[in-house]
Amino acid sequence: QVQLQESGPGLVKPSETLSLTCTVSGGSIRSYYWSWIRQPPGKGLEWIGYIYYSGSTNYNPSLKSRVTISVDMSKNQFSLKLSSVTAADTARYYCARHEGGRNGWCDYWGQGTLVTVTS
Amino acid sequence: QSVLTQPPSVSGAPGQRVTISCTGSSSNIGGGYDAHWYQRLPGTAPKLLIYGNTNRPSGVPDRFSGSKSGTSASLAITGLQAEDEADYYCQSYDTRLSGSVFGGGTKLTVL
Repeated sequence: QVQLQESGPGLVKPSETLSLTCTVSGGSIRSYYWSWIRQPPGKGLEWIGYIYYSGSTNYNPSLKSRVTISVDMSKNQFSLKLSSVTAADTARYYCARHEGGRNGWCDYWGQGTLVTVTS
Repeated sequence: QSVLTQPPSVSGAPGQRVTISCTGSSSNIGGGYDAHWYQRLPGTAPKLLIYGNTNRPSGVPDRFSGSKSGTSASLAITGLQAEDEADYYCQSYDTRLSGSVFGGGTKLTVL
């Protein structure tokens, strides 16, 4: 059974960079796409972007200038960096396995981690 | 404003059937791209309910079904149960955004 676990700081200061890591267990990161998705308090889900295990990426255009997703196959992990954060970036951040290519779906999810942007 | 439009809320009594719509456009569902559905129970991560418009992952009860027509997709839940009370989200691919998009979510209340 594939399991995903997000890790990283729960508090980030405005203008700084949010950094999260997703550790995949129970399966290899190889041959799949891996997504980051977030949900601000009281709002819906927002796709941030995904990375293929080979390193190719696709980002939400609204966040593209601030987002970097990377993969570390040796650790079976992938990571999210979001720069110049503001209060609007406060959200629960989920990592997920993205099956089926660009029109794919997320079949395994992490439990999510709440990140609050505050001074 | 989400690219995929869902009703903010729906409700039904136990045992009834409810449907949740997800309306898109020619750049996503209407352009031949599949819709997928997720259930998010309070305090938990989203769970995949339907993928590829109509397919149920292993373990999802057959009370849940999906369909697609034109620029819209729908999720139907029959034999409504109290534990179905949750938020439901649709997802697809959008060519204008060149990425995945989610609907705004629908809160299902079991009366």
